Amino acid sequence: RKEVEQDPGPFNVPEGATVAFNCTYSNSASQSFFWYRQDCRKEPKLLMSVYSSGNEDGRFTAQLNRASQYISLLIRDSKLSDSATYLCVVNKGGGSEKLVFGKGTKLTVNP
Amino acid sequence: SAVISQKPSRDICQRGTSLTIQCQVDSQVTMMFWYRQQPGQSLTLIATANQGSEATYESGFVIDKFPISRPNLTFSTLTVSNMSPEDSSIYLCSVGGRAGDVHEQYFGPGTRLTVT
Repeated sequence: RKEVEQDPGPFNVPEGATVAFNCTYSNSASQSFFWYRQDCRKEPKLLMSVYSSGNEDGRFTAQLNRASQYISLLIRDSKLSDSATYLCVVNKGGGSEKLVFGKGTKLTVNP
Repeated sequence: SAVISQKPSRDICQRGTSLTIQCQVDSQVTMMFWYRQQPGQSLTLIATANQGSEATYESGFVIDKFPISRPNLTFSTLTVSNMSPEDSSIYLCSVGGRAGDVHEQYFGPGTRLTVT
């Protein structure tokens, strides 16, 4: 089983749509969880950390289910500028600062 | 978050040669990391660059192939040695930051390497 698995995508949605990304991780000892976005030919940029209680940042909502080892990202009212690859990222376990990246899900928002 | 720069931004190299990539941060950071992103793939951690001691390599990566220096808390280099076309990739450095109990990472712009 891969350490971090994501929806293979790609996702093509119209502007204004709501889109959800799912991710599972294999290491039950992981304690830090993130969503990064990566634009074409650019470096990954931290979108948001994911907390046990779930967290929201504007149109973006992240949720974590430790029992199921499942992470999600919901984007509401999607914009053209949301088009990117979304990477699910977890740490290697415990307090490790090393990160494991999912392969990413590509999102294209169409006008 | 810290401002991170990398040099060169891209290079085309012949097989058998070596390339050294530099990573500069505008503030002192404890943790620095080097990653590789092969075409169409996600990021894979190569090693943790430790200041004042040898780098810590992940499984599948060795010091002879990817020597790393970390002379101070703002700078690190990664050398890709004896290159082959399979080394064609984007190489990224990252720095660790802390938000409460969470250790976040921020990435440099990457070095796009093509080996012919």
